[in-house]
Amino acid sequence: DTGVSQNPRHKITKRGQNVTFRCDPISEHNRLYWYRQTLGQGPEFLTYFQNEAQLEKSRLLSDRFSAERPKGSFSTLEIQRTEQGDSAMYLCASSLVDRGNEQFFGPGTRLTVL
Amino acid sequence: AQKVTQAQTEISVVEKEDVTLDCVYETRDTTYYLFWYKQPPSGELVFLIRRNSFDEQNEISGRYSWNFQKSTSSFNFTITASQVVDSAVYFCALSDLRPGYSSASKIIFGSGTRLSIRP
Repeated sequence: DTGVSQNPRHKITKRGQNVTFRCDPISEHNRLYWYRQTLGQGPEFLTYFQNEAQLEKSRLLSDRFSAERPKGSFSTLEIQRTEQGDSAMYLCASSLVDRGNEQFFGPGTRLTVL
Repeated sequence: AQKVTQAQTEISVVEKEDVTLDCVYETRDTTYYLFWYKQPPSGELVFLIRRNSFDEQNEISGRYSWNFQKSTSSFNFTITASQVVDSAVYFCALSDLRPGYSSASKIIFGSGTRLSIRP
């Protein structure tokens, strides 16, 4: 399958722990996006990369959040010192650089912080 | 500021009824894109349609149809002869094309409408 993949699909952690999620985009896609979806809400934009460069970050992305895409392929999103308010679905999407309005979404990673 | 409003939080209809999901958007951009996505219980976002701001033609795809009206900043979605498999959360969304950018970046989603189709 050549769609966007995310791992793990589910993560349960205790408050204060660090967690890291991985996203593998569609192979030829230069852009990679992270969104967060809390219960009962639509996805909210967090950040996006064009190749290795992180071009935009939302104000939602606090200092405890860091995203990387070191080789312009897969990306990781790390949350340090997790809080209960971080519980959400974290969605990754990818697109071609000139097709930013055609974003293909992965299945998401559901994070539960106890 | 850009914003998408889906005033209907939940809708429940009996199978085979027609149902319309409302979407109102706000943007100061003259070029933008509007979307509808479906999110079934499995959680994955399924793309349904994209329209650009210059194309106000209504579109029909099988039992689905979309009505785009710039005058009222609305992009409504109708399901004709609903089926139980249509039960899901539906999101309306908006993205822009800002000067200096070759393509739109973030997509702004509404809060969704949970649609339940009863047998």
